[in-house]
Amino acid sequence: DAKTTQPTSMDCAEGRAANLPCNHSTISGNEYVYWYRQIHSQGPQYIIHGLKNNETNEMASLIITEDRKSSTLILPHATLRDTAVYYCIVRVDWEGFQKLVFGTGTRLLVSP
Amino acid sequence: DVKVTQSSRYLVKRTGEKVFLECVQDMDHENMFWYRQDPGLGLRLIYFSYDVKMKEKGDIPEGYSVSREKKERFSLILESASTNQTSMYLCASSLPGAITEAFFGQGTRLTVV
Repeated sequence: DAKTTQPTSMDCAEGRAANLPCNHSTISGNEYVYWYRQIHSQGPQYIIHGLKNNETNEMASLIITEDRKSSTLILPHATLRDTAVYYCIVRVDWEGFQKLVFGTGTRLLVSP
Repeated sequence: DVKVTQSSRYLVKRTGEKVFLECVQDMDHENMFWYRQDPGLGLRLIYFSYDVKMKEKGDIPEGYSVSREKKERFSLILESASTNQTSMYLCASSLPGAITEAFFGQGTRLTVV
């Protein structure tokens, strides 16, 4: 199974960009990178996903390196409500079925 | 609004009891998942199902079973609850395919005493 490595925790000042790195050096060519976040006492929430190209949506941007061995999730203007655990996930192919394998994530603390 | 609903938010059960955790989704999703979440270990996949009556073991299936009799409902069963099954349990659903997002329920915090 492709695995991901993330820092355990990060801090960010409110209003600044939060850049969350993820290492997925064993990723296969057809595996997508997904990001989810989990706010305290809630289930995980989808943020964004990508394969090769950089992606942007209303929540965040995803930058994937050319060799696809790492990626960075960018929250351009972090708010206090962005305090959460952020999970970088590679969808694992199982006989044509794809399942999400979560790591331990990065705990992002956004401070005033 | 799309929804994955877990039957209980908090549950306390005794050791040896048979425990049922229920999950219902209203999005007509083929795929459904059960995870448990423990401090320092992240989310770990217990079982998943890609169709009615179909089930596959995840990474930590021991001590658990599942049932998927209807497309919208996926039940996790603890045949004989033990204290090491005290955890947060999360249900999720998704459409099939490589680029579909998964929707999670709010979780059930189970305490086995």
